[in-house]
Amino acid sequence: DGGITQSPKYLFRKEGQNVTLSCEQNLNHDAMYWYRQDPGQGLRLIYYSQIVNDFQKGDIAEGYSVSREKKESFPLTVTSAQKNPTAFYLCASNPQGLLGTEAFFGQGTRLTVV
Amino acid sequence: GDSVTQMEGPVTLSEEAFLTINCTYTATGYPSLFWYVQYPGEGLQLLLKATKADDKGSNKGFEATYRKETTSFHLEKGSVQVSDSAVYFCALRGDRGAQKLVFGQGTRLTINP
Repeated sequence: DGGITQSPKYLFRKEGQNVTLSCEQNLNHDAMYWYRQDPGQGLRLIYYSQIVNDFQKGDIAEGYSVSREKKESFPLTVTSAQKNPTAFYLCASNPQGLLGTEAFFGQGTRLTVV
Repeated sequence: GDSVTQMEGPVTLSEEAFLTINCTYTATGYPSLFWYVQYPGEGLQLLLKATKADDKGSNKGFEATYRKETTSFHLEKGSVQVSDSAVYFCALRGDRGAQKLVFGQGTRLTINP
């Protein structure tokens, strides 16, 4: 079955550590996105990628980094520079250039700093 | 830039009540419009969409009509159920440039039996 998979579902990080969240899709989509969701709030765009080996900052990129070495994969690293990383992280993908197509979401990773 | 404004929540209704969640947008060109639903601890699922003016999206008893003259895409359901309790997000995808998805802030809906 085609879909988008995030792992792990829950992640705990000690202060000062970097952690990497995985996002894999087998939908053959060009565009992939990372969003952050805080309790009671909407989704804020962290980074997005429209094609392999290319990505752009979203609205809240500070303290995060990404790579897009393969079409299927768009991992997000939360670095120690991110001062308030505890949140729910959502990855999404959609076909680029096809107007009107919706984005597909993973099930999310809940990151907690301990 | 493009933006979406949703009716603030939380919204609490009794079962079988009529539901409206307002959504208005600002965008250049001709964006596509979406409603997504999020159940606790899960990702977002597409509920319905409309890709051009006057289109009506519908699914599971929910409906929304793309109104370009009022830049709106209000979500409605005639008779809600307890299982409709979730967070609802209105979103748009522009038709030019990076075609990013832009979301509203979400509306939490609770249906009481």
